[in-house]
Amino acid sequence: GNSVTQMEGPVTLSEEAFLTINCTYTATGYPSLFWYVQYPGEGLQLLLKATKADDKGSNKGFEATYRKETTSFHLEKGSVQVSDSAVYFCALRNGGSQGNLIFGKGTKLSVKP
Amino acid sequence: EAQVTQNPRYLITVTGKKLTVTCSQNMNHEYMSWYRQDPGLGLRQIYYSMNVEVTDKGDVPEGYKVSRKEKRNFPLILESPSPNQTSLYFCASSQRFNTEAFFGQGTRLTVV
Repeated sequence: GNSVTQMEGPVTLSEEAFLTINCTYTATGYPSLFWYVQYPGEGLQLLLKATKADDKGSNKGFEATYRKETTSFHLEKGSVQVSDSAVYFCALRNGGSQGNLIFGKGTKLSVKP
Repeated sequence: EAQVTQNPRYLITVTGKKLTVTCSQNMNHEYMSWYRQDPGLGLRQIYYSMNVEVTDKGDVPEGYKVSRKEKRNFPLILESPSPNQTSLYFCASSQRFNTEAFFGQGTRLTVV
């Protein structure tokens, strides 16, 4: 079946540090891949997406590249800010009619000044 | 403003007392779904709807009902809530089943 595995948290970084959150997936066919972010007390917001192999999604300084050969979609940011503190979810959605978003368990990021 | 609106945001109820969590979207999306979020388990789909009057079970449907009488609304019904349904619930909508999803703010439900 379909599944998403992302690195366990929590992750604590200093401001301006480099961020990588690993995400790998198992899926049949050609899923679309997403990163969602959940700020404290809020719902999930789409951060970025990629719909086919080698696509790079980017937003707010975050980037992730759809790597079919390694079934990965790692999230990166060159210089994190305190305001980036949140929980990050990797997710996939394949072409099945259920349309189920399959989420990883989330990685909590804390950025210290 | 495009949004998905859930109500209430917080709810404490007692075992067995029927409740409804409402969800409404203003983007004319065809596809809507409900998820629950639990620590260590992430988000899991409860029910989904491909369009008006078309609903189906997700991965964890037991103890829940839904209806889709209008395109914009997709209420979640707990006929007889139990403590294991204490969770954070999210409604989501998307243009189609395979496009990006927009989430509501969440409803934190406690069943005592």
